Amino acid sequence: QVQLQESGPGLVKPSETLSLSCTVSGGSISSNYWGWIRQPPGKGLEWIAYTSYAGSTSYNPSLKSRVSISLDTSKNDFSLNLNSVTAADTALYFCAREGQGGGFYDHWGQGTPVTVSS
Amino acid sequence: SYELTQPLSVSVALGQTAKITCGGNNIGSKSVHWYQQKPGQAPALVIYRDSNRPSGIPERFSGFNSGNTATLTISTAQAGDEADYYCQVWDNRNGVFGGGTTLTVL
Repeated sequence: QVQLQESGPGLVKPSETLSLSCTVSGGSISSNYWGWIRQPPGKGLEWIAYTSYAGSTSYNPSLKSRVSISLDTSKNDFSLNLNSVTAADTALYFCAREGQGGGFYDHWGQGTPVTVSS
Repeated sequence: SYELTQPLSVSVALGQTAKITCGGNNIGSKSVHWYQQKPGQAPALVIYRDSNRPSGIPERFSGFNSGNTATLTISTAQAGDEADYYCQVWDNRNGVFGGGTTLTVL
């Protein structure tokens, strides 16, 4: 059974860069698409980005200028960098795997909370 | 940008049928996926590609998509179905989530 586990700093200062990792176990990252989704406190889900082993990537247009996603097959994980963070980036960040055939997220991590504050 | 509209809340009596809608421009031409999120948990897929149930999801959950509205139907609602539900589609390689609907089972 595929499992995903996010890791991150917890607290980031405004204007700094947020870096998150998602470690995949029970399956290879060299297949499927992999994504990041976030959820501000008390609010809904917001899609951030996806990547694939083949190098395909896509970003939420509202975040595109500040975000990058990458995949590391040697570690079987993928990462998210979000720069110039503000309080509006405070959220629970989830990593997830797209199911076979794509389009839907069938496996999710438990989420890692990120607070942007000085 | 593409937008999905969901009702903020839906209430259903125990054992009755709940319908949660997801509106979008010509959403019937897209594949719609539905997630259930209980407090303190990650979202979980309940319907993919309009009407398909992942393994382990009860037959009580069903989906339909046509025109400008997709619908998640939960039959014989149980207390354990209380949760937030989100619809999701792809638009020009961008993921889009609806705002979410809180289902209350009375």
